[in-house]
Amino acid sequence: AQKVTQAQTEISVVEKEDVTLDCVYETRDTTYYLFWYKQPPSGELVFLIRRNSFDEQNEISGRYSWNFQKSTSSFNFTITASQVVDSAVYFCALSGQGGSEKLVFGKGTKLTVNP
Amino acid sequence: ETGVTQSPTHLIKTRGQQVTLRCSSQSGHNTVSWYQQALGQGPQFIFQYYREEENGRGNFPPRFSGLQFPNYSSELNVNALELDDSALYLCASSLGPGLAGSLYNEQFFGPGTRLTVL
Repeated sequence: AQKVTQAQTEISVVEKEDVTLDCVYETRDTTYYLFWYKQPPSGELVFLIRRNSFDEQNEISGRYSWNFQKSTSSFNFTITASQVVDSAVYFCALSGQGGSEKLVFGKGTKLTVNP
Repeated sequence: ETGVTQSPTHLIKTRGQQVTLRCSSQSGHNTVSWYQQALGQGPQFIFQYYREEENGRGNFPPRFSGLQFPNYSSELNVNALELDDSALYLCASSLGPGLAGSLYNEQFFGPGTRLTVL
């Protein structure tokens, strides 16, 4: 079975602090994809990043960076110099060959960035 | 290019009623997936439709049913509504039904329909 665990339910930081959102996944598939989505209060899921299981290179996009480690089944997301606009719920998700048609989401981490 | 649209935006129903939610897929997409997101939870996969046929189903009872039309738009129907059906219902379209989220089959989400069951 596939599972995604986001142990942090809520995180509150002050603007300009760095913050890391944790994601641990379980899958028996050799080919799978990992994702991060942002969900602002409006409700729409905003795609942030996709990584496949064969590419463990870390990625940086502006203030966002992602650390993928297969050895620990983790795919953590760091926001550097956080801003108030980063306040949202962030979801980590997984898709794999078993049940390939669906995305399996974690429960999400609510990030609040205070001015 | 038009993105994924859903209607209505909000809906209030009472227990025992039936509801139909609608989704228009992104241009060129033939696959639609539906997810239920309860308050404080992550989205959960309900089912997927590919070329008008169901192509995979999550752990939801038969009173959750769907349709896909020749233009690839889709409906989610829920019968005998229960209080726990209150949630945000998200629709996602993709180019095809393969491994979800692969470069070819990336799922694009609509804004959702918020259903409240009283």
